[in-house]
Amino acid sequence: EAQVTQNPRYLITVTGKKLTVTCSQNMNHEYMSWYRQDPGLGLRQIYYSMNVEVTDKGDVPEGYKVSRKEKRNFPLILESPSPNQTSLYFCASRKHGNEQYFGPGTRLTVT
Amino acid sequence: SQQGEEDPQALSIQEGENATMNCSYKTSINNLQWYRQNSGRGLVHLILIRSNEREKHSGRLRVTLDTSKKSSSLLITASRAADTASYFCATDARGGTSYGKLTFGQGTILTVHP
Repeated sequence: EAQVTQNPRYLITVTGKKLTVTCSQNMNHEYMSWYRQDPGLGLRQIYYSMNVEVTDKGDVPEGYKVSRKEKRNFPLILESPSPNQTSLYFCASRKHGNEQYFGPGTRLTVT
Repeated sequence: SQQGEEDPQALSIQEGENATMNCSYKTSINNLQWYRQNSGRGLVHLILIRSNEREKHSGRLRVTLDTSKKSSSLLITASRAADTASYFCATDARGGTSYGKLTFGQGTILTVHP
């Protein structure tokens, strides 16, 4: 089944404790993205990647890192999480010019 | 800043009525896409319309695109309670520094009352 998977689905952590949210897709898509969704602010792009080893900042990249060492994986790294990074995070992938497939979301709480 | 801006922000209708949502954008696009999101879940792709298309249909969905006005609309006909969700437009930028970037608007919350 074609899908985007994210792990973990739920995470509660403390300020400053490094964490990684994994994302994987099995559709051989070139493009992958990370978004955060907050009430009243809609869906905002954090980082995106156009292919292996090619990444670029989205609209809200501060406090996040990504890497794209393999085509199928696009992990999101929070080196030192802060409470303002409490949010619902979505990973997504697509072929250039086509529709995007979203993961189920990761709900992160930073205390 | 967000490329696509949806209007209205919220829409409440009765089952059987039609729902129309609008999206405006600012730069040149390859295509425009509409997505649906049920509360707290991942977005699901509904329909994609390319910049050289003016109208597209999929079941009860009808999408129009006016590139001269940089706007699109999504019409859901004969709405059902199960259509209750948030609807987002997304623009696939053409050229420049945003090449290939898919940017979402803030969405329209649709509530369909049985």
